[in-house]
Amino acid sequence: AQKITQTQPGMFVQEKEAVTLDCTYDTSDQSYGLFWYKQPSSGEMIFLIYQGSYDEQNATEGRYSLNFQKARKSANLVISASQLGDSAMYFCAMRAPSNDYKLSFGAGTTVTVRA
Amino acid sequence: DAGVIQSPRHEVTEMGQEVTLRCKPISGHNSLFWYRQTMMRGLELLIYFNNNVPIDDSGMPEDRFSAKMPNASFSTLKIQPSEPRDSAVYFCASSLGQGFLQPQHFGDGTRLSIL
Repeated sequence: AQKITQTQPGMFVQEKEAVTLDCTYDTSDQSYGLFWYKQPSSGEMIFLIYQGSYDEQNATEGRYSLNFQKARKSANLVISASQLGDSAMYFCAMRAPSNDYKLSFGAGTTVTVRA
Repeated sequence: DAGVIQSPRHEVTEMGQEVTLRCKPISGHNSLFWYRQTMMRGLELLIYFNNNVPIDDSGMPEDRFSAKMPNASFSTLKIQPSEPRDSAVYFCASSLGQGFLQPQHFGDGTRLSIL
């Protein structure tokens, strides 16, 4: 079974600054996918970025980048140049063969961007 | 491109009534997932379908819950009879296959309140 750990329940960041959200995972699978989702206060779940376990380069999508350190089993999300609209809950998640490819979620981190 | 479409967005009904939630996955996606999100339990996978066939319904809380996928473009989650403890946000998500690199794309959710 997989376990996803997000140790930061809440974070404050100043507008235009970068913020790093921590995510560690535990799995015995060699192949897996790591994902980040954003959930604003309006409630929808928005897919942001993913990283495959065999990808050697860190994934990037606009202002989002995933700092993947396989040996440490960490997949931190970096948001650059924070905007007020980035205020939301962020979830780290994983899919792997041993869990029938179900998506396992962490508890989430709330980010509040200050003007 | 149209995302996952869920209806209704909000539902308020009295205990004992039948509730039907609807989902239209992204065209071409062949895996569909139903989740429930509460403050206490976070995101829980209820059931998932692959190619319209239910693969795993171990997350369905009890016999009051049922889900169908009669074709590739439509799924329903039914609760009968509903109880106050069923109050939650219900998400439908779809992905292109079961592969671990495939992100799940979520609908906007149905906020269900059972009085």
